[in-house]
Amino acid sequence: DSGVTQTPKHLITATGQRVTLRCSPRSGDLSVYWYQQSLDQGLQFLIQYYNGEERAKGNILERFSAQQFPDLHSELNLSSLELGDSALYFCASSAGTGTPRDTQYFGPGTRLTVL
Amino acid sequence: DAKTTQPPSMDCAEGRAANLPCNHSTISGNEYVYWYRQIHSQGPQYIIHGLKNNETNEMASLIITEDRKSSTLILPHATLRDTAVYYCIVEWGSNYKLTFGKGTLLTVNP
Repeated sequence: DSGVTQTPKHLITATGQRVTLRCSPRSGDLSVYWYQQSLDQGLQFLIQYYNGEERAKGNILERFSAQQFPDLHSELNLSSLELGDSALYFCASSAGTGTPRDTQYFGPGTRLTVL
Repeated sequence: DAKTTQPPSMDCAEGRAANLPCNHSTISGNEYVYWYRQIHSQGPQYIIHGLKNNETNEMASLIITEDRKSSTLILPHATLRDTAVYYCIVEWGSNYKLTFGKGTLLTVNP
């Protein structure tokens, strides 16, 4: 158990819909990262927040957005969902300012299925 | 950007050492090498990282060649629970993100 929690575990929805994935980092960790893992693309970095501020951006679509709240939990919002958005979404957290040299602790993931 | 090359799959007998190679010939002088693993559909797990010296922790050892163009992750006594995809990652510049490639699927056989 990494100490990172994600809800929900599974989510099934239809094309065009909007969903919100939630992540609670390890106690004391200030950085939160979001990753998408699909069968054809592998594990892709989406976005990182540090203490409420966006720190780094990866291949995140404009239909996706994220935020980190004052209590440090984070939400990833996915809108206008397409079939290709079906994937595992992982959240990770780390202490410090969030450079790659900070060990990232991954949550169990949310499996999103878009029908 | 620094990229890594890993074999797509490897097998190892239970109880034996597993040696997972990684090539990173374009690595820069201040870039670290990281290893993570992912057991089927679980979140990736950090294993070890290093710059130029060999490193060891309770999970594994990391051997980096003197020219830093390649490294080897060693699991000294592989168990069935070590069956996973192992990712070798090199950071680049001051970028904050880790980029996971396809990794090596290590299968530990009884």
